Amino acid sequence: DAKTTQPPSMDCAEGRAANLPCNHSTISGNEYVYWYRQIHSQGPQYIIHGLKNNETNEMASLIITEDRKSSTLILPHATLRDTAVYYCIVRGSNTGNQFYFGTGTSLTVIP
Amino acid sequence: GAVVSQHPSWVICKSGTSVKIECRSLDFQATTMFWYRQFPKQSLMLMATSNEGSKATYEQGVEKDKFLINHASLTLSTLTVTSAHPEDSSFYICSAMPPENEKLFFGSGTQLSVL
Repeated sequence: DAKTTQPPSMDCAEGRAANLPCNHSTISGNEYVYWYRQIHSQGPQYIIHGLKNNETNEMASLIITEDRKSSTLILPHATLRDTAVYYCIVRGSNTGNQFYFGTGTSLTVIP
Repeated sequence: GAVVSQHPSWVICKSGTSVKIECRSLDFQATTMFWYRQFPKQSLMLMATSNEGSKATYEQGVEKDKFLINHASLTLSTLTVTSAHPEDSSFYICSAMPPENEKLFFGSGTQLSVL
């Protein structure tokens, strides 16, 4: 079952950074934090994942707090195409290595 | 990234009929595939884990006789919704993880409408 808490919705101005928070206070030491996003009526798209170090790729940055109880996904320069539902997922041996989706955050990028 | 293909994209059927949805990993072999369903304005719910050459593992509350899963090869898993009813209308999505890869890749989904 999902072990994450996210705000249901957020707005972000186009061109600005979008910072999406996620709480995972019960995360275990061997569990990873994954972020996916889903644009309406499509399959989810992988964004980024990490264990305890901050990660960056061409899509986003992932900041994980030192105690690993929360994380933030950063889209550095949001575009209208980034409007989607963003899911934060905790995955590891405690979840049977399955990906269980929570309720996610619906991000709307405003022109 | 790896490609997971799902077919059909949408299907409309009459109540009482069965519908088969295919999920293929196009550029990798997948010993395990995952099936999700999603109702409007809701999150994805994991239904079952499909294991090549063995029985699928169903999540609690998912009827295995209702949702038949077959994973006969390393690149193909099928989900058959048997005796479909209007309440089975949903968006069904498959996914797979390539070997030595920690990322899960998703198909484009199948919208099932049961009349």
